[in-house]
Amino acid sequence: QSELTQPPSASGTPGQRVTISCSGGSSNIGRNNVYWYQQVPGAAPKLLIYASDQRSSGVPDRFSGSKSGTSASLAISGLRSEDEADFYCATWDDSLNGVLFGGGTKLTVL
Amino acid sequence: QLVQSGTEVQKTGSSVKLSCEASGGSVSTYALTWVRQAPGKGLEWMGEIVPIFGVPSYAQKFQGRLVVTADDSTSTGYMELSSLTSEDTAVYYCARKYCGNKNCPLFDTWGQGTLVIVSS
Repeated sequence: QSELTQPPSASGTPGQRVTISCSGGSSNIGRNNVYWYQQVPGAAPKLLIYASDQRSSGVPDRFSGSKSGTSASLAISGLRSEDEADFYCATWDDSLNGVLFGGGTKLTVL
Repeated sequence: QLVQSGTEVQKTGSSVKLSCEASGGSVSTYALTWVRQAPGKGLEWMGEIVPIFGVPSYAQKFQGRLVVTADDSTSTGYMELSSLTSEDTAVYYCARKYCGNKNCPLFDTWGQGTLVIVSS
């Protein structure tokens, strides 16, 4: 399918590990790398992960990305209150010939 | 750093043109991308252009009413969206695509965003 599906919400307590999934199809995640962005309210998105599993400069190693088949995941370990934000996955879709963003996942740190 | 133009309030059916200036360096060899975000909604890719080539690409949804241009001499990109409706009310971001391939949405630098309000 030419869309990326993320859970609308995720939560965890400080110190916990949380995982956010991103499900796509053969025309997008199945053929291309995945990118993850973090957006705090009122600010522009920030690149976290590129090429599916590479951390962007300055991103703590608590953040990690992975991809398998037509799905990808973002894992955040040692959860901190400042991690509370919206997270978006993105990739290229060969059928649409354009960039797809997932619907976003709002992470709450309890 | 990417610096975007200010808030716009437009009438339904009109057009809006936004700018995005790269200060402190050129973006000419990388694509300048436009992404929008409606209130309370997610990110939506609109299109992009590589300034030194001047050839844009657009999301299918915006074909025919979106024009993306760039002036390499001033390191400024522009996005013009026409036939505005209330559904175009959103924050519009420009971003640098730090990757030479088309299938690589690696947006490493973002503008601060421009709010566009469309009302009747």
